[in-house]
Amino acid sequence: DQQVKQNSPSLSVQEGRISILNCDYTNSMFDYFLWYKKYPAEGPTFLISISSIKDKNEDGRFTVFLNKSAKHLSLHIVPSQPGDSAVYFCAAYTGNQFYFGTGTSLTVIP
Amino acid sequence: EAQVTQNPRYLITVTGKKLTVTCSQNMNHEYMSWYRQDPGLGLRQIYYSMNVEVTDKGDVPEGYKVSRKEKRNFPLILESPSPNQTSLYFCASSSGGPWTQYFGPGTRLLVL
Repeated sequence: DQQVKQNSPSLSVQEGRISILNCDYTNSMFDYFLWYKKYPAEGPTFLISISSIKDKNEDGRFTVFLNKSAKHLSLHIVPSQPGDSAVYFCAAYTGNQFYFGTGTSLTVIP
Repeated sequence: EAQVTQNPRYLITVTGKKLTVTCSQNMNHEYMSWYRQDPGLGLRQIYYSMNVEVTDKGDVPEGYKVSRKEKRNFPLILESPSPNQTSLYFCASSSGGPWTQYFGPGTRLLVL
């Protein structure tokens, strides 16, 4: 049973606009949430994380928002750049284990 | 350069022939983990290790074994591979807060 879900397999955005990637989860025991970016033929690379006690974390163009009551988190990329085109995975951590979503393929159109 | 290496990168084998995929990290990380990535299923954790000689099952451990005899190495063993283990495998390591994992480049395995 998928505890972390990314319901949008793909997203296209114009360069310079905002990209919003969404993720839903079912387990209220998750301690941390993370976003990873993956290019073809490479391993995922860590982007940004957020503790379950916070509702927002920013790092440059990337901001993650956590809504615990809705069990929802989102990644905002502003402004989007062509180099951001990749597959984005959200993940959650609890009890020494990680649970990943199925990924959203982001295409930033120049 | 800080990195996680996996070998081999590509492997074709036959059902039942034991194989080992090696994983090594040079960052002195305590936490290491194996994942498999399948279409429509994302990444699923197979096994993880909190430190030397400490390993535990992840979400999909059936058909796999691991060992952690040294801090830097965490091999994945398939004693009797089956076609449903055809997948893309990733090794990862992290230190301190285990949430900032560094991933290897992946091993693509085909079991005939």
